[in-house]
Amino acid sequence: KQEVTQIPAALSVPEGENLVLNCSFTDSAIYNLQWFRQDPGKGLTSLLLIQSSQREQTSGRLNASLDKSSGRSTLYIAASQPGDSATYLCAVEGNEKLTFGTGTRLTIIP
Amino acid sequence: DGGITQSPKYLFRKEGQNVTLSCEQNLNHDAMYWYRQDPGQGLRLIYYSQIVNDFQKGDIAEGYSVSREKKESFPLTVTSAQKNPTAFYLCASNPDGINSPLHFGNGTRLTVT
Repeated sequence: KQEVTQIPAALSVPEGENLVLNCSFTDSAIYNLQWFRQDPGKGLTSLLLIQSSQREQTSGRLNASLDKSSGRSTLYIAASQPGDSATYLCAVEGNEKLTFGTGTRLTIIP
Repeated sequence: DGGITQSPKYLFRKEGQNVTLSCEQNLNHDAMYWYRQDPGQGLRLIYYSQIVNDFQKGDIAEGYSVSREKKESFPLTVTSAQKNPTAFYLCASNPDGINSPLHFGNGTRLTVT
């Protein structure tokens, strides 16, 4: 059974810093890995989807990497802004559909 | 604008009552999903549907029921058999079920007392 872990559960950084969020998974037989953002009391917004054959995807200040063999993904956020404050969740898609991590709650300090 | 609409945003029910959560999408997506989110836990799949008039149980289907009579609509009924129904419920969709990003509604927070 796939398990997805995100550490740390919470992270605070000053505005302007670059930061990395981590995601690990136990079963490397995946179709893709997805990163989402969730604001308090809201649904999830898709940020990036990395196919299993890809190593990374970029969108604006966001860059996600995937190392399937080691069961790890990172989400890099450049030049953080207060508007980046949210919970970031990763999810892996395999035979068991999407398995979600519990998220990292990110706070950007102005 | 295309999207997923969940209603109501907040729902309160007494224990023992069934309640139906609405989910409508105008994205022309084939696949639709219901997830439950509890504090400190990842999203858990309740039911999903990849085509009209067909749906499959997810990891935690007990105490829930769904229907998919129209492509746009995937309502979820929380029955009195669900032991711990208070949670945040999220509906999602994607075009064909595999390898495409999920689009989510803004959720319904159900409180049962």
